[in-house]
Amino acid sequence: GAGVSQSPSNKVTEKGKDVELRCDPISGHTALYWYRQSLGQGLEFLIYFQGNSAPDKSGLPSDRFSAERTGGSVSTLTIQRTQQEDSAVYLCASSPGTYNTEAFFGQGTRLTVV
Amino acid sequence: GENVEQHPSTLSVQEGDSAVIKCTYSDSASNYFPWYKQELGKRPQLIIDIRSNVGEKKDQRIAVTLNKTAKHFSLHITETQPEDSAVYFCAASEYSGSARQLTFGSGTQLTVLP
Repeated sequence: GAGVSQSPSNKVTEKGKDVELRCDPISGHTALYWYRQSLGQGLEFLIYFQGNSAPDKSGLPSDRFSAERTGGSVSTLTIQRTQQEDSAVYLCASSPGTYNTEAFFGQGTRLTVV
Repeated sequence: GENVEQHPSTLSVQEGDSAVIKCTYSDSASNYFPWYKQELGKRPQLIIDIRSNVGEKKDQRIAVTLNKTAKHFSLHITETQPEDSAVYFCAASEYSGSARQLTFGSGTQLTVLP
């Protein structure tokens, strides 16, 4: 595809349920980021993948959050036992991972926990 | 880790006036400083970036300046137009052979008044 694709675009879930958010980065991009953006707020870093290196998980807010990236391409962010404070837009971005580090963002997944 | 602070959080200017947004960073190893624009309901998009080997970069009505000694960088928009209204995010990253995580500032809501 031409850009970073995220699915679903919107997700409404009940408190306590698990959710999976998917990110398809631009083909060939080795770096992949997940950010969380609450309403009217900034971009909160969650996790970063770079090639085959161990991911930087320092931004994950709790052990309910996890992410994986299979085959260096598609990534899945999983939130277990969702809470209302998890409601936000989850943005994925990818970059070439070379000297050009421009990050290209997906359109985001709007998660609402009711 | 890196910490990026951004000011002001909101900024209103009259159409045609200039707007300046400032950011400071904490990690002296950071050497890549992009600026992203996020229009309402849309994904963040890169508008300009600067690397630590230059002090200023300009692209039409927007310019970015970098002071590595003081660890701050600024976005300047001249002759502002209503379509410049958006949230602007600064970011900092260290590049050392591979992309590293981007740390974002908290964002500035710019409103250009007609």
